[in-house]
Amino acid sequence: DAGITQSPRHKVTETGTPVTLRCHQTENHRYMYWYRQDPGHGLRLIHYSYGVKDTDKGEVSDGYSVSRSKTEDFLLTLESATSSQTSVYFCAINGDSNEQFFGPGTRLTVL
Amino acid sequence: QKEVEQDPGPLSVPEGAIVSLNCTYSNSAFQYFMWYRQYSRKGPELLMYTYSSGNKEDGRFTAQVDKSSKYISLFIRDSQPSDSATYLCATSNNAGNMLTFGGGTRLMVKP
Repeated sequence: DAGITQSPRHKVTETGTPVTLRCHQTENHRYMYWYRQDPGHGLRLIHYSYGVKDTDKGEVSDGYSVSRSKTEDFLLTLESATSSQTSVYFCAINGDSNEQFFGPGTRLTVL
Repeated sequence: QKEVEQDPGPLSVPEGAIVSLNCTYSNSAFQYFMWYRQYSRKGPELLMYTYSSGNKEDGRFTAQVDKSSKYISLFIRDSQPSDSATYLCATSNNAGNMLTFGGGTRLMVKP
């Protein structure tokens, strides 16, 4: 168990509403990541963080923002959710040898 | 063309068979190679992590990397029904910080 929790685990929301997903780690690791997983596309990187207040964009960052005010928490925000953002969202952290460990996922449905 | 290609399957084998799962990649800068196992509705779980070319063995699992042909493989010996899952390959050129995933291969091991 890599000590990663995600909340909520499931969420249904309506188009145009803001949504925030939370990733919490107990391992004190520097790097944290947000991915989305969709059929036919595999896992794609949305944003990542390399320290408190230090973040950068990934492959599919449009429509998403992130924040990291504490080492242990990495938040993903959909400012105005769209149906194309219906997906399963995974948070990940880097281990001691730079391998990545994943959280349990958040299943988001945007109606 | 995707940077990492993986046959989506499904691959169905009888219990006890040797399973071969494969990925090809296009970026010659990739040096780190990972295999993840993902059960339905769960997060990906790291199985194998290798650097550069060669083989790495862990129990019933062997990871093989051939950088000259940009080909990575995962072999599972004495496959069990509990091995039924989706297997994802991932690559990186900088110690795992920015992973590029294949789309995953679904494996079914029948008793």
